[in-house]
Amino acid sequence: DIVMTQSPLSLSVTPGEPASISCRSSQSPLHSQGNYFFDWYLQKPGQSPQLLIYWGSNRASGVPDRFSGSASGTDFTLKISRVEAEDLGIYYCMQGLQTPYTFGQGTKLEIK
Amino acid sequence: EVQLVESGGGLVQPGGSLRLSCAASGFTFKTYWMHWVRQGPGKGLEWVSRLNEDGSTTNYADSVKGRFTIYRDNAKNTLFLQMNSLRDEDTAMYYCTRDLGGAQAYWGQGILVTVSS
Repeated sequence: DIVMTQSPLSLSVTPGEPASISCRSSQSPLHSQGNYFFDWYLQKPGQSPQLLIYWGSNRASGVPDRFSGSASGTDFTLKISRVEAEDLGIYYCMQGLQTPYTFGQGTKLEIK
Repeated sequence: EVQLVESGGGLVQPGGSLRLSCAASGFTFKTYWMHWVRQGPGKGLEWVSRLNEDGSTTNYADSVKGRFTIYRDNAKNTLFLQMNSLRDEDTAMYYCTRDLGGAQAYWGQGILVTVSS
């Protein structure tokens, strides 16, 4: 199984400040067609996860442009350029290259 | 509007069975891979199973293989998860998801399954 390791596991950010979350996979989720089968999700309190970034660096429909994703080999980063109060929740990375699909442990973002 | 509405959860004793349903609307159900993902109380996300558009291809997590069966009824726009020989560790919120890993991934609100004597 591909193991996904996130860091940090928690962070506290002042509104308007940037934030960054990393995820490392034990094997590269790079598909032969050239896309990373790697996503970022946000689970807001009391809600189901919502897609933020797919294929490593593509923003999902309706996601604000303050969210961006980058990918290189086995290293992935989610950046929030200016955190807003509504961004609080748990962020998960996920690989969908092979079954079992696997998720990172989650990173809890708190707002100062 | 895309909707995925899960039902069929509840309290069941160890060794018992439950069938989860997921009613889909707002999109062409028969053209998407569908998945089940679960989340134990206070825990992270665990992928459970998936099947392809016509239901001919299925995959399972090792933790549920041989006990759970995923299937679909495209005429009724409904996804199912038959869960047998349930264990305490199957206690979780179960999410029905569309196109997991794709650009149009969407999750239902989830249904709670509690396995306890």
